[in-house]
Amino acid sequence: KQEVTQIPAALSVPEGENLVLNCSFTDSAIYNLQWFRQDPGKGLTSLLLIQSSQREQTSGRLNASLDKSSGRSTLYIAASQPGDSATYLCAVGTNAGKSTFGDGTTLTVKP
Amino acid sequence: EAGVAQSPRYKIIEKRQSVAFWCNPISGHATLYWYQQILGQGPKLLIQFQNNGVVDDSQLPKDRFSAERLKGVDSTLKIQPAKLEDSAVYLCASRLGGANVLTFGAGSRLTVL
Repeated sequence: KQEVTQIPAALSVPEGENLVLNCSFTDSAIYNLQWFRQDPGKGLTSLLLIQSSQREQTSGRLNASLDKSSGRSTLYIAASQPGDSATYLCAVGTNAGKSTFGDGTTLTVKP
Repeated sequence: EAGVAQSPRYKIIEKRQSVAFWCNPISGHATLYWYQQILGQGPKLLIQFQNNGVVDDSQLPKDRFSAERLKGVDSTLKIQPAKLEDSAVYLCASRLGGANVLTFGAGSRLTVL
């Protein structure tokens, strides 16, 4: 059974800092990995999707990497802004289309 | 492209009452999911549909929860009778195929008193 862990559960940084969020998974036989953002009281917004054959994906100030062999993914946020404050979740997908989620890291960026 | 639509956004009921949630996925998305998200946790899969067939309902509490996806488009999730521990956000998501982006609706927040 796939288990996904995100540490730390919460993170607070000053504006402008670069930061890394971590996601680890127990079964390396994954099909893809997706990072989401969730604002309070809202649904999940997709940030980046990495296929198992890829090493990283980039979108603006976001860069996600994937290391299947070690069961890890990181989400790098450059030059953080207060608007980046949210909960970030990673989801590991199988080829049957099933995704297992971590419990997320709640990020606070202080002005 | 229209997103995943869900209703109602909020529902408050007494325990032992029933409730139903509705989801309309992105047009053309064959796979539809219902997730339960308890405060402070990540979403947990309840049921996965491929067109109008069930792919995975192993985590669905079948004594009280039911879901259907008639005609392979809209879906409804029903809880009867509700328990206090069912208080959560029920998220619907859809995707075109297994390799594609999973897209979520805004969710339906259930409070059971």
